[in-house]
Amino acid sequence: DAKTTQPPSMDCAEGRAANLPCNHSTISGNEYVYWYRQIHSQGPQYIIHGLKNNETNEMASLIITEDRKSSTLILPHATLRDTAVYYCIVSRGPLTPGGSQGNLIFGKGTKLSVKP
Amino acid sequence: GAGVSQSPRYKVAKRGQDVALRCDPISGHVSLFWYQQALGQGPEFLTYFQNEAQLDKSGLPSDRFFAERPEGSVSTLKIQRTQQEDSAVYLCASTLTGDDNEQFFGPGTRLTVL
Repeated sequence: DAKTTQPPSMDCAEGRAANLPCNHSTISGNEYVYWYRQIHSQGPQYIIHGLKNNETNEMASLIITEDRKSSTLILPHATLRDTAVYYCIVSRGPLTPGGSQGNLIFGKGTKLSVKP
Repeated sequence: GAGVSQSPRYKVAKRGQDVALRCDPISGHVSLFWYQQALGQGPEFLTYFQNEAQLDKSGLPSDRFFAERPEGSVSTLKIQRTQQEDSAVYLCASTLTGDDNEQFFGPGTRLTVL
């Protein structure tokens, strides 16, 4: 079972910031928070990941609460092309020798609709 | 540059037929994953390879599912005696090394079993 809880859907106006919440209250100390998105009829696309510090890249920002039980993905200026299902995933991160801890456990995600 | 490619993109099979789905990972990528995505659901892990070694096949739903990666590059997912519940999108992903956080996904193969 997925270890995360996300709202099933959200709307956002084009040009505005999209803030996608995720609860992961059972996260353990060695688990990372990953965000992927899936545009219709495409494979998932990596967005960003973090352990405990906030992270930013060219696509988005990731804000993780101090207790690490929740996080928010921020798309600062949403465009119509950001319409997709966004998945918040908790995982043990990079593979360790002999293991496959890198397989991702997806939930149902949040369907973000960016509207003009 | 070339990403992960999968073929065929669409496959229709009659119940009981065998199918083979191909994944070409990004050149040089060590790790390869297969996922199954049912309609309206998130992808679910099936199996994982590091080079030619299949290190985890815990997600394969039955012994009708078989995956191989004999030379550590191209991988094939084979489903024998297909059933209607096998209808799904099958996604392949690869990572450069075992230490990468980012998985690169292909577009998937949509399998419909009639």
